[in-house]
Order: sequence, then structure tokens, then C-alpha cells
Amino acid sequence: NAGVMQNPRHLVRRRGQEARLRCSPMKGHSHVYWYRQLPEEGLKFMVYLQKENIIDESGMPKERFSAEFPKEGPSILRIQQVVRGDSAAYFCASSPRQGANEQYFGPGTRLTVT
Amino acid sequence: KQEVTQIPAALSVPEGENLVLNCSFTDSAIYNLQWFRQDPGKGLTSLLLIQSSQREQTSGRLNASLDKSSGRSTLYIAASQPGDSATYLCAGLLNTDKLIFGTGTRLQVFP
Repeated sequence: NAGVMQNPRHLVRRRGQEARLRCSPMKGHSHVYWYRQLPEEGLKFMVYLQKENIIDESGMPKERFSAEFPKEGPSILRIQQVVRGDSAAYFCASSPRQGANEQYFGPGTRLTVT
Repeated sequence: KQEVTQIPAALSVPEGENLVLNCSFTDSAIYNLQWFRQDPGKGLTSLLLIQSSQREQTSGRLNASLDKSSGRSTLYIAASQPGDSATYLCAGLLNTDKLIFGTGTRLQVFP
């Protein structure tokens, strides 16, 4: 049973470009969470999604950031018009159901904005 | 607002020492408490998960305890080894299904 997969592992974008980060949850998991780790800071919750639904996006910046988890395919975190302050490690986690015991984390995508 | 604090922020010890890492949270309404390990530039490895109804969990040289009433958790590492060097994170799961992470303890174990 493969773990949570994220790609790309490293992503370099110039200011103003778009970044798309992908997360494939563990098999059988329908709940996905995105967290961001800024340099020298702790991990912060961004968004919680179920298939085709955003459950909680209280941690998402108001502009330029969006997330989706379609019926088919991976969850996508999209950052439009990236700025240097978006440089961070973005981690995805999945769980089989709401209120599940544990969230399983992927290896992360490290975004660098030049 | 739930906040999670970890003490100490950094720790450097010789190999073989027994260690205690502390985690405190402001809101006792957590579902569970997880301890993670993060190596530089890497992802998170889950070490131990303590349910809100439990007091402690053990795995090998690691033991984690949880005291909800005082808002504290500790991670005990026995007979530390250089391979234990990493950042250790605790995280509380809220009823909103989001994990609130602590600030981390950076551990270095030297031979």
C-alpha cells in the first residue's frame, strides 16, 4: 500500500508564474489536508478537503491560493502569481475518514520562487 | 485559539543520555496528540500517537505521555543515539480535523 505521494518534490518558479502542487492520498483515503512550512517556522494548516468538497479553508491566504480534490485524480494546491514569500515546503496528509485517528504525511513539495 | 509550545527549542547532548522533550497546549479539547520526527529537508515521520483517552504510548526507545488536564505531553527518548538527531514536532488534533503543530525541538546527539 503506497503512502501519500506528492509531486513534484522540488519546484522552481519565477515571480508571477503559477505553481501547481499535486497530492495523491493513500489508497482508500478520501480526506486530504494541506500544510505549509515557511523557512524557520512551524507547520501551519492551510486547507482540508474531501472528494469534491472544501471542508475547511481557514488557513488559506485570501488571494492567489486555491485547492481542489476532484472525484478522480489527485488533490491540487494552486498558487497563482507566485511571490518570493510563497517559498516554502508544502505538505499533504490524508486520512480515511473524518475524525480519524491519524493523518499520514507525504514527503512534501519544496517550492522556490526566484 | 489553540497554541502548541515545545521546550526546549534546541538540545545538544552526548550519546547515551536519556532525554525528555516537552510539549504544552492551551486548549485541552484535543482528540489526540502526535509526535513526529523531521530530518533536515525531509518530510514528517510519525513516531507516536496518543488518543485523548490514553495516558501514554511506547515504541522501542520512545515513550510519549499525555496529560490533558494540564495540557502537557512529553516525549522520552532512552539511550539517545546520533541517529536520533532531528527536529521533533508535537501536534494536537482538534475537533475540526486540523493538526496544530508545535514550534519543534531541534535535537543533536553527538558521539
